[in-house]
This record gives sequence, structure tokens and C-alpha cells, in this order.
Amino acid sequence: KQEVTQIPAALSVPEGENLVLNCSFTDSAIYNLQWFRQDPGKGLTSLLLIQSSQREQTSGRLNASLDKSSGRSTLYIAASQPGDSATYLCAGQGAQKLVFGQGTRLTINP
Amino acid sequence: DAGITQSPRHKVTETGTPVTLRCHQTENHRYMYWYRQDPGHGLRLIHYSYGVKDTDKGEVSDGYSVSRSKTEDFLLTLESATSSQTSVYFCATEYGGSDTQYFGPGTRLTVL
Repeated sequence: KQEVTQIPAALSVPEGENLVLNCSFTDSAIYNLQWFRQDPGKGLTSLLLIQSSQREQTSGRLNASLDKSSGRSTLYIAASQPGDSATYLCAGQGAQKLVFGQGTRLTINP
Repeated sequence: DAGITQSPRHKVTETGTPVTLRCHQTENHRYMYWYRQDPGHGLRLIHYSYGVKDTDKGEVSDGYSVSRSKTEDFLLTLESATSSQTSVYFCATEYGGSDTQYFGPGTRLTVL
């Protein structure tokens, strides 16, 4: 059974810093790895999707990598801004459909 | 984002009553999903659909049923609501079988 873990559960950094969020998964037989953002009281917004054949994807200040052999993905956020404050969730998609981690709550301090 | 609406957005009901939540999409996506989100458990899959009248169970399907009579609508029914079903319910859609999932705004359900 796929298990997805995100560490740390919460992270607070000053504005302007570059930061990395971590995601690990137990079953390497995934079709893709997705990163989402969730603002308080809102639904999830898709940020990046990495197919199993890819190693990374980039969108603006965000870069996500995937290493299936080690069961890890990272989300890199460059030049963080207060508007980046949210909960970030990763999810591995496989035979069990999407399995989510519990998220990292990110706070960017002005 | 895909045009996904959920109704109602908030509902308070009593134990033992039936409840139906609706998800409506305008993107003609083949796949639709129902999740629940709870503190300490994250998002968990309840049921999903891979086409009209084609549905399957997810990780936490006990106490829930679903129906999909047309592409745009996916209904989640709690036949007899229990307090353990108090949660935030999210619907999601997906074009293919391993693509980006798009989420609705959620329904907050409280069972007293």
C-alpha cells in the first residue's frame, strides 16, 4: 500500500528565501507525482505534475523533482513571497489512484 | 481551472439522516473523484468514477455510495449519516487516467 510522507509538517521562513519542501513515497510504481497548494478553507490547486518518465518540472519560481529509485520528490520555491503562504501537498498516483501526504504548512514572513 | 462546482457548500444534519452531495463539472472530463479531508488523516479517496455508470471504491468507501448518470454529475450519498462522517468533502475531475486532477471548492458537512 502506497504511503506518502511530507516533512516538515510546518515551516516558517523570511521573505526572499529559497526553500525546499520534501515528499517521500513507499511504492515506486507510480504513474506520476503531483504537487498541490491549498489555501485555508479552499480547495486544492494543482501546481506541478511530474510523469514517472520525467525527473523534473518547472513553473515560474517553482521546480519539482522526482527520484523514483529513492522514493523522493522535492518542491523548490525560489525567492519566496508572503503570497506563497499556504499548505503544500504532494500526491503519488498509481493503481490506488492519488495517495496524498498530509502536507507542509508554509508561512512566509514579510 | 476546470469548471467544478459542489453543492451544497455547507450542510449541518443529524445522525441517521440521508445526505447527498453533488459535484458538477463543465469540462467533459472522464474521471471524477470524491475525497474527504480530516485533520490527522489528510485527503482520502472515497469513491471514483471512470465513466458514466462506471464507479469503484476507494480507501474509505464504507457508509458511502455514488452514482454517475451523466458525464457532468457525480453524486455522493451518505445513506445514514454518522458523526464520524463529519468532514470536508472534495470532488475532483481528471481528463485521462494519469493526468492533473482539478478540485472543487469543497463541502463542509457536520453531522450532529
